[in-house]
Amino acid sequence: DTAVSQTPKYLVTQMGNDKSIKCEQNLGHDTMYWYKQDSKKFLKIMFSYNNKELIINETVPNRFSPKSPDKAHLNLHINSLELGDSAVYFCASSQDRGRMKQYFGPGTRLTVT
Amino acid sequence: AQTVTQSQPEMSVQEAETVTLSCTYDTSENNYYLFWYKQPPSRQMILVIRQEAYKQQNATENRFSVNFQKAAKSFSLKISDSQLGDTAMYFCAFMKREQGAQKLVFGQGTRLTINP
Repeated sequence: DTAVSQTPKYLVTQMGNDKSIKCEQNLGHDTMYWYKQDSKKFLKIMFSYNNKELIINETVPNRFSPKSPDKAHLNLHINSLELGDSAVYFCASSQDRGRMKQYFGPGTRLTVT
Repeated sequence: AQTVTQSQPEMSVQEAETVTLSCTYDTSENNYYLFWYKQPPSRQMILVIRQEAYKQQNATENRFSVNFQKAAKSFSLKISDSQLGDTAMYFCAFMKREQGAQKLVFGQGTRLTINP
């Protein structure tokens, strides 16, 4: 009965590869997010989708492409991986109305070698 | 653009002591929310406490309380009777609603260690 789940939890890959991280929430929320936490632990929002529509895009390179097939899923696809993409990526979800709270997934540690 | 600053990269206290983590923010918004998140070594992001900017009363959650000074744009977290399980990274965050989303801006984090 996990609220926000991400797969995989760990991902090790070589430079130049293309990879995807999947996120699913079973909370019935209508907004989902991707955050990046770098090696210094700094967390920064990347994208937000509301009802499958992109509403926040924080100057992320074009190599990153989020895809939301439905309200419960927000996947992150990364093309041509670079060393600097190594980080922990967190998915989160929230409900637009009601309590202001985001529910975070467990994170995916991406290591690019 | 909003910014959040946590001036204490690391703190360390003895178990059962009280510790206060500092956070300041900069915004021109009037309606917003402030949060403290805890990230233990498991890396899970856990919401500790939330404060609505329109509320003058400081939020409390058991051993956790905040000192919210809106005019000074200050939002500190006090942990009373600290426990070993409080050891974690703590992030202060500012949030405003943007086109149906809740945009969170985080501070740099404070690594808190509770010593036995």
